Amino acid sequence: NAGVMQNPRHLVRRRGQEARLRCSPMKGHSHVYWYRQLPEEGLKFMVYLQKENIIDESGMPKERFSAEFPKEGPSILRIQQVVRGDSAAYFCASSPQVGEAFFGQGTRLTVV
Amino acid sequence: DQQVKQNSPSLSVQEGRISILNCDYTNSMFDYFLWYKKYPAEGPTFLISISSIKDKNEDGRFTVFLNKSAKHLSLHIVPSQPGDSAVYFCAASGRIRRGGSEKLVFGKGTKLTVNP
Repeated sequence: NAGVMQNPRHLVRRRGQEARLRCSPMKGHSHVYWYRQLPEEGLKFMVYLQKENIIDESGMPKERFSAEFPKEGPSILRIQQVVRGDSAAYFCASSPQVGEAFFGQGTRLTVV
Repeated sequence: DQQVKQNSPSLSVQEGRISILNCDYTNSMFDYFLWYKKYPAEGPTFLISISSIKDKNEDGRFTVFLNKSAKHLSLHIVPSQPGDSAVYFCAASGRIRRGGSEKLVFGKGTKLTVNP
């Protein structure tokens, strides 16, 4: 049973480009969470999704950021028109209905 | 507003001794607490959890203590080993009350260094 898979591990984008981060949850997990870790900071909650539904997006910036978890395929975190301040490590976690959340290895986004 | 606080950014202990990592929370709706361990360039790894109906949970060398009245929890590692050197994150949720999965709110982490 593979763990939570995130890709790419490293992503470099120029200012103004779009960044797409992918997360495949563990088998049997229907809940996905995205977190962001800025340098010297803890993990900040961004969004919580179940299949085809956004449950809680209270941590998502109102503009340029969006997330989806389609019926088929991975969850996608999309950042449009990236700026330098978006540079961070983005972690995805998945969980079953009741159970612990397991994290992926993260995607390190660098905006140049 | 930091709902979960880890006031010690770093902690250094000698191999074989006890490591005590502390965490405070402010939201009285939290009823489920977890500790995660994180190595550089890796994702957090779940270590141990405790629900608000308990005050202690033990798993091998790791024990978590919960003091609800003080809104405080701690992670004890004994004996500490050099391989325990990592950043430890405290996390909280209202999962029990909600009856299922819920987002985790994390502290900023404590970097533990265990010296040989």
